[in-house]
Amino acid sequence: NAGVTQTPKFRVLKTGQSMTLLCAQDMNHEYMYWYRQDPGMGLRLIHYSVGEGTTAKGEVPDGYNVSRLKKQNFLLGLESAAPSQTSVYFCASSQGGVSQPQHFGDGTRLSIL
Amino acid sequence: GQNIDQPTEMTATEGAIVQINCTYQTSGFNGLFWYQQHAGEAPTFLSYNVLDGLEEKGRFSSFLSRSKGYSYLLLKELQMKDSASYLCAAVDSNYQLIWGAGTKLIIKP
Repeated sequence: NAGVTQTPKFRVLKTGQSMTLLCAQDMNHEYMYWYRQDPGMGLRLIHYSVGEGTTAKGEVPDGYNVSRLKKQNFLLGLESAAPSQTSVYFCASSQGGVSQPQHFGDGTRLSIL
Repeated sequence: GQNIDQPTEMTATEGAIVQINCTYQTSGFNGLFWYQQHAGEAPTFLSYNVLDGLEEKGRFSSFLSRSKGYSYLLLKELQMKDSASYLCAAVDSNYQLIWGAGTKLIIKP
């Protein structure tokens, strides 16, 4: 059971560089989410998707873009990385909306120098 | 604004019982989740309460009082592996999930 798989697990970027984080789920879930987790704060929703081909903004979308071209994949892009984007990024999926339990990936630890 | 309050850190002894509290102020309410997160790992689902009362799952129980905006997670017969952060999250009237910062539980032998 792979569940939700995130790649890469660690990455160090320089300010201004771009990168894409990949999330893949094998549970045929409709909903997918990208969060960031910072010390002393709750999980903050960046973007989410309610199905293939759809995306929507969450609480902190600035500086990020997403795509959901295939149901099983949800990509998070940083076009021009900034030190404020240093964080742990979690992808999650659920069968239904937010009233359903979410299944999380192991996270991507991203440092922007 | 919307807010979830839970203690930052708690310490308990192996074999004992601990109660982790969570209070929420949200615009409407459509349920409350508890997740467990070991250090450096992903959050994992523990419980979901939408009606008042206590729900038990083995050593873990979760309680909800909608009138008081209050929930707690009760862990019995504590084991060292229960050392983790416990995240409380409430669903508001717009079906947005509001997350607390988590309670770090330290278990001592």
